[in-house]
Amino acid sequence: QQPVQSPQAVILREGEDAVINCSSSKALYSVHWYRQKHGEAPVFLMILLKGGEQKGHEKISASFNEKKQQSSLYLTASQLSYSGTYFCGLSGNTPLVFGKGTRLSVIA
Amino acid sequence: NAGVTQTPKFQVLKTGQSMTLQCAQDMNHNSMYWYRQDPGMGLRLIYYSASEGTTDKGEVPNGYNVSRLNKREFSLRLESAAPSQTSVYFCASSDQTGGSYGYTFGSGTRLTVV
Repeated sequence: QQPVQSPQAVILREGEDAVINCSSSKALYSVHWYRQKHGEAPVFLMILLKGGEQKGHEKISASFNEKKQQSSLYLTASQLSYSGTYFCGLSGNTPLVFGKGTRLSVIA
Repeated sequence: NAGVTQTPKFQVLKTGQSMTLQCAQDMNHNSMYWYRQDPGMGLRLIYYSASEGTTDKGEVPNGYNVSRLNKREFSLRLESAAPSQTSVYFCASSDQTGGSYGYTFGSGTRLTVV
């Protein structure tokens, strides 16, 4: 049950904000967020655990709504370096199942 | 630098040839994974090893075999390559299967089967 990410792609100007959503049909245990730049490996950004504990990146925040089975990633005051594809990954103490990704492009 | 090392980085195979992708991590992680990434499909799990001595199938295991050689190394073998196996392959590791501190990925192997 692959999570559904939205939007599929977004273009921002530097300094603008963005929200990326990740929805699941299954109950969530933990949600991971990763960023992948073109031609590179995915890099871990943060994890949200059931119960609300958040671990990870200091400049990007996220929320985890257990009732709605949804997580959202918030990027504020975007920088050129934020460009890339963002993946959410869901785990129920099993290996991560990843969404198809959201391509984010930040332009000057 | 600590992390996950994959070899080779690039490979071209002819249909029917075999090869082994190598992966090693030096973070003392218990769990290791092989994912494949195809355009528009995200990352799909091929096989994983929750701990040394165990391996399990993921979402797309057909045509692949794995070996957890020791705690550090986890290899992926294609016995008879097919064009449908053209993809980018990523190895990853984590402290445990749920990955409380995230997964660390290798730099990937770009495989083309002709």
